[in-house]
Amino acid sequence: EADIYQTPRYLVIGTGKKITLECSQTMGHDKMYWYQQDPGMELHLIHYSYGVNSTEKGDLSSESTVSRIRTEHFPLTLESARPSHTSQYLCASSAPGGLQGYTFGSGTRLTVV
Amino acid sequence: GENVEQHPSTLSVQEGDSAVIKCTYSDSASNYFPWYKQELGKGPQLIIDIRSNVGEKKDQRIAVTLNKTAKHFSLHITETQPEDSAVYFCAASPRPLVFGKGTRLSVIA
Repeated sequence: EADIYQTPRYLVIGTGKKITLECSQTMGHDKMYWYQQDPGMELHLIHYSYGVNSTEKGDLSSESTVSRIRTEHFPLTLESARPSHTSQYLCASSAPGGLQGYTFGSGTRLTVV
Repeated sequence: GENVEQHPSTLSVQEGDSAVIKCTYSDSASNYFPWYKQELGKGPQLIIDIRSNVGEKKDQRIAVTLNKTAKHFSLHITETQPEDSAVYFCAASPRPLVFGKGTRLSVIA
């Protein structure tokens, strides 16, 4: 069983609302990532963190922001949701060291109406 | 930066047959190549990985091969079963991992 948790699993929200997607891991992993997965399956990196107080933007331009105040917690915030934000959001983490695989959460499916 | 190409995008096989998914990468500095399986409603799960100092790795019905000279690596699933039906992703380092676009595998009973 993966020790990385995402909440909520499903969310339907109106345009203009502010939302925070939660991601927590209990494995002590220093690296954490957020991916957006489109209906065509492709995974797009939107944010990542290599440790507390360290965050970077990924390849996909995103209007979201992240924070990393605690090692185990990596929330993603959308200040003003739009229908174009409708997607599956996946959080992942990886252990210290160079060659380590990712552990993914089960994802949050977001629908903005 | 790194670019990972994955083929085919969809693959249908009869139960018991073998399935092969191929990926190519562009950055010769990449040294870690994991494969993930994503079932419906779940996040991707690591199923096997290979490092650049190894040419082949096997775990029961799953094997991965790596050709560093040609910059390609492949996933082989033998004796496929219906529960192998899923989306499979390849990926390559450097960090953060760069993923292929995925292969939807259907195993027909």
